Amino acid sequence: DTAVSQTPKYLVTQMGNDKSIKCEQNLGHDTMYWYKQDSKKFLKIMFSYNNKELIINETVPNRFSPKSPDKAHLNLHINSLELGDSAVYFCASSQRVFGEQYFGPGTRLTVT
Amino acid sequence: GIQVEQSPPDLILQEGANSTLRCNFSDSVNNLQWFHQNPWGQLINLFYIPSGTKQNGRLSATTVATERYSLLYISSSQTTDSGVYFCAVFNDMRFGAGTRLTVKP
Repeated sequence: DTAVSQTPKYLVTQMGNDKSIKCEQNLGHDTMYWYKQDSKKFLKIMFSYNNKELIINETVPNRFSPKSPDKAHLNLHINSLELGDSAVYFCASSQRVFGEQYFGPGTRLTVT
Repeated sequence: GIQVEQSPPDLILQEGANSTLRCNFSDSVNNLQWFHQNPWGQLINLFYIPSGTKQNGRLSATTVATERYSLLYISSSQTTDSGVYFCAVFNDMRFGAGTRLTVKP
C-alpha cells in the first residue's frame, strides 16, 4: 500500500502552459506539504495545509496555487509555467503540524 | 530562521567501512528528522529524533539538542547505502544541503 502517492511521476510541458500535480495520502494524517527540490538537490518548503487550512505559504510566485479538497489530498496547480519551474516536486504528510514527515515519490517537472 | 549545516558535503567509502554524518543547527529544535534520498530520487525516512539515540539495523542516530547537533552513524556500509542523506529541522521547515555518500564495492 502506497502511503503518500503523487501523479504524474513525470511531467514534460512547454512554457506558458498550466499544469497540476496531485497528491494523496492514506495515513490518516492531518497535515500535508509541498516541497521543491532544485537541480542542486536543495529541498525547500512551498506550502503546508493542516485540516484543509493553509498554514505555511513561503515566498512562492502566485502562479503556484495549492488546493486541499479534503485532508487526504493536496494538489498543486501551476499557471504560466516558466523554465525555472523545472524541478522535482515532493508532497509529504505528517500526523500533526511539524511532526514526523512521510514523503511521496516526487514529480519531475520539465518545462521546455 | 534556523540554519542547518551538514558535514561532510561528500563522502566516499569502501564497502564495509563505517561513517558518521553530522548535522548542526543554529537554534533549539523540538523535531529533527534524517532522510536518505536514494539514486532513484526517493526520500526515505530514517529517523525522527528530536533528542536521544535510536538504532535501526546498521544505522543509528543521536541528537544532542542542548549542543545543537545530530549524528547519523552508518556501520558496515553497503553499496545500497549510496545516495544523499538529509537532516531536516521542522520547527522552521528547513533541510540541510545534504551529504552525498558513495559506497564503492
